[in-house]
Amino acid sequence: EADIYQTPRYLVIGTGKKITLECSQTMGHDKMYWYQQDPGMELHLIHYSYGVNSTEKGDLSSESTVSRIRTEHFPLTLESARPSHTSQYLCASSELRGDTYNEQFFGPGTRLTVL
Amino acid sequence: AQKVTQAQTEISVVEKEDVTLDCVYETRDTTYYLFWYKQPPSGELVFLIRRNSFDEQNEISGRYSWNFQKSTSSFNFTITASQVVDSAVYFCALTGSARQLTFGSGTQLTVLP
Repeated sequence: EADIYQTPRYLVIGTGKKITLECSQTMGHDKMYWYQQDPGMELHLIHYSYGVNSTEKGDLSSESTVSRIRTEHFPLTLESARPSHTSQYLCASSELRGDTYNEQFFGPGTRLTVL
Repeated sequence: AQKVTQAQTEISVVEKEDVTLDCVYETRDTTYYLFWYKQPPSGELVFLIRRNSFDEQNEISGRYSWNFQKSTSSFNFTITASQVVDSAVYFCALTGSARQLTFGSGTQLTVLP
């Protein structure tokens, strides 16, 4: 059972607001990820991190930013939310162990609606 | 570049039927990993299996089984005697030298009572 948490689970917010989506994991995993997913569609990687002070942009361009000050915490921030940001955001983590690519464990997701 | 294709967008079966979800992948890597995830209506992704490119043995876990065939670049997933609780979106995913997961578009499975 994975221990990865996301808050809030649901968020409805007006255009122009600044928001931060929280993600925490208690497994000591070095790698963490943020994905964006429209309902029933495939996941797109928007940010990832291989450890503290390491952040990279993913395949899908995103106006969001992330930080990794602590191993267990990987928040995602939108400075000015827009309706086009309406989506589900999924956080994941995995071990960094040699060359083996290990499975990612996912949080429950945050469903964001921007009015 | 790598790609995962799940051609079945939606599948509907009646409880106790067997169902196979198809996954076809493309990669230039010789070492790669394949995954299946389940996404129930609650939204979280649940890890089901990981398979590396050097292990073509089929795997069975309870009612679930996976058929990996490198010759056809396929990694199909079969649920035997399906149950209503199996209703979910199932994603196949691939990673290789790029170390990033590429997901297929998912297959919505509905199991009717």
